[in-house]
Amino acid sequence: NAGVMQNPRHLVRRRGQEARLRCSPMKGHSHVYWYRQLPEEGLKFMVYLQKENIIDESGMPKERFSAEFPKEGPSILRIQQVVRGDSAAYFCASSPLRGTSTDTQYFGPGTRLTVL
Amino acid sequence: QKEVEQNSGPLSVPEGAIASLNCTYSDRGSQSFFWYRQYSGKSPELIMFIYSNGDKEDGRFTAQLNKASQYVSLLIRDSQPSDSATYLCAVPQRVGSARQLTFGSGTQLTVLP
Repeated sequence: NAGVMQNPRHLVRRRGQEARLRCSPMKGHSHVYWYRQLPEEGLKFMVYLQKENIIDESGMPKERFSAEFPKEGPSILRIQQVVRGDSAAYFCASSPLRGTSTDTQYFGPGTRLTVL
Repeated sequence: QKEVEQNSGPLSVPEGAIASLNCTYSDRGSQSFFWYRQYSGKSPELIMFIYSNGDKEDGRFTAQLNKASQYVSLLIRDSQPSDSATYLCAVPQRVGSARQLTFGSGTQLTVLP
């Protein structure tokens, strides 16, 4: 019973390049959340998706960041024209389709993005 | 006022002692509360959740919730060096149908052998 999977685990990009981070939720989970953890800072919500729908993107920077969760395949967080300030750990979490306040979010191992 | 507040620590306890971690939250409507553990360089790992006032025990861990005072705590009995980590308190913030987690800044715990 595989947990939340993320790849790559480490990603190095130069300023101006694009970063693509992938997340496959746990089996049976249809809710995906992306969080960012900047160095020496706490976890911050970015975006919440269900299949083919962005439910809440209030935590996403307005420019350069986008997310999708297609009908088939993993959820993808895309960062265009990366800058050094994007260097962080990006975590994906998933929860089952119950929609209650006790839904538990399980985290993947994260992708550590380094922008040179 | 931050939505979820924790003492950042660091908190040091000797091996075998009880470690007490505290968290306060601002939204009186919050219904459930989660404790995660995060080792350095790793992802958050769920320890337990609580949604009823009182205590909830799971092995060496006990979560305590007091909704009237808006705090939730985590006790770790018989602390072990392997418990050394950052402990994160998280509260779901309902936005429409979303339940994004708002995290506290975490309390760094060190258990001294």
